[in-house]
Amino acid sequence: AQKVTQAQTEISVVEKEDVTLDCVYETRDTTYYLFWYKQPPSGELVFLIRRNSFDEQNEISGRYSWNFQKSTSSFNFTITASQVVDSAVYFCALTTYSGGYNKLIFGAGTRLAVHP
Amino acid sequence: EAQVTQNPRYLITVTGKKLTVTCSQNMNHEYMSWYRQDPGLGLRQIYYSMNVEVTDKGDVPEGYKVSRKEKRNFPLILESPSPNQTSLYFCASRLGQFEQYFGPGTRLTVT
Repeated sequence: AQKVTQAQTEISVVEKEDVTLDCVYETRDTTYYLFWYKQPPSGELVFLIRRNSFDEQNEISGRYSWNFQKSTSSFNFTITASQVVDSAVYFCALTTYSGGYNKLIFGAGTRLAVHP
Repeated sequence: EAQVTQNPRYLITVTGKKLTVTCSQNMNHEYMSWYRQDPGLGLRQIYYSMNVEVTDKGDVPEGYKVSRKEKRNFPLILESPSPNQTSLYFCASRLGQFEQYFGPGTRLTVT
């Protein structure tokens, strides 16, 4: 079975705190892609990152960083020095080669509230 | 500007009244898909299309129909909407195995 679990339903932090959003996935495929999407209060889905299963290098983009660990089937997302504009729902998602990449399997999402 | 558009953005309707949500993309993507978003469940795929005239069911296809007569358009049809189809709907398109581009969403309420 393929599944994405985001165990943190809601996180509340104060501005400038660092925050990590957890994502654990399940798949028997060896070839797959993982994604993070951001959904701000306005409702649209904003693509943040794509990572394939053969690339375990961590990635940093400004205040955002991602830690991909195949050994623990995790793809965690860290926001450094959080800002109010980071307040949103964040989704982790998985797509697999055996499924023809035809479906994104989403986690339930983590709602992040950053307070001034 | 490359984009996926959906219409309408908001819709309130009554049980049993047929409706269509349109989706159009201008990126010449072969793959298109529909998802619904419900609290605590994330997004779940309804239908997808690999190309013109090629469609297949996703995880929650019951109560929905789709068609793909043109590459750019992928409408979602609810023949007889019911209250359990109240949801936020997203259309998406994709090139190859890369990330999916999502439309702005359609918030549907069925009373």
